[in-house]
Amino acid sequence: DAGVIQSPRHEVTEMGQEVTLRCKPISGHNSLFWYRQTMMRGLELLIYFNNNVPIDDSGMPEDRFSAKMPNASFSTLKIQPSEPRDSAVYFCASSRATNTGELFFGEGSRLTVL
Amino acid sequence: AQTVTQSQPEMSVQEAETVTLSCTYDTSESDYYLFWYKQPPSRQMILVIRQEAYKQQNATENRFSVNFQKAAKSFSLKISDSQLGDAAMYFCAYRSYNQGGKLIFGQGTELSVKP
Repeated sequence: DAGVIQSPRHEVTEMGQEVTLRCKPISGHNSLFWYRQTMMRGLELLIYFNNNVPIDDSGMPEDRFSAKMPNASFSTLKIQPSEPRDSAVYFCASSRATNTGELFFGEGSRLTVL
Repeated sequence: AQTVTQSQPEMSVQEAETVTLSCTYDTSESDYYLFWYKQPPSRQMILVIRQEAYKQQNATENRFSVNFQKAAKSFSLKISDSQLGDAAMYFCAYRSYNQGGKLIFGQGTELSVKP
């Protein structure tokens, strides 16, 4: 079975540009999570969805960040405009239900903003 | 709010030896899950072991076992017969039973294995 699929794996962009990260969760999973990993702050939850509905977006840093889940098999995390401090690894994860089971993680998207 | 603390930023173990990674957490809830995830240099997050808080028996997965002390809010990971492939960053994580599926992670412990 395919795991969580993220794209791109690496992205280098210049400050001010728009960045879109994509995620395809595991089929049948109804919860999707976006995490950010940096050396300074570790792993932070940005937002998560249950059944395509955003449940908790309190971790989204500011209005420059937005996330959508238009259907059960696709989600995007967008940064506009990007800044150097957004440089990090962004992970997408999915799980089958909200209160059971572990989270399955994608391989992450490494973003570098120059 | 729940917090997870890993007090050992780095640990080292000799190949074939045993090492224990520490984790403590803070919560007022009685029902929750605890996890250990492994992140090798490839950066893929891999589940190592899971513990449900209502279970008194410590979870084991082959060479990996936990010491779950609910009253003390402690959840340590023991790796027996350490192998070179165990070298990675290890994260302890907490998941509330009542607040959906989000995981709260500790800061991580980087484990190196010496041949």
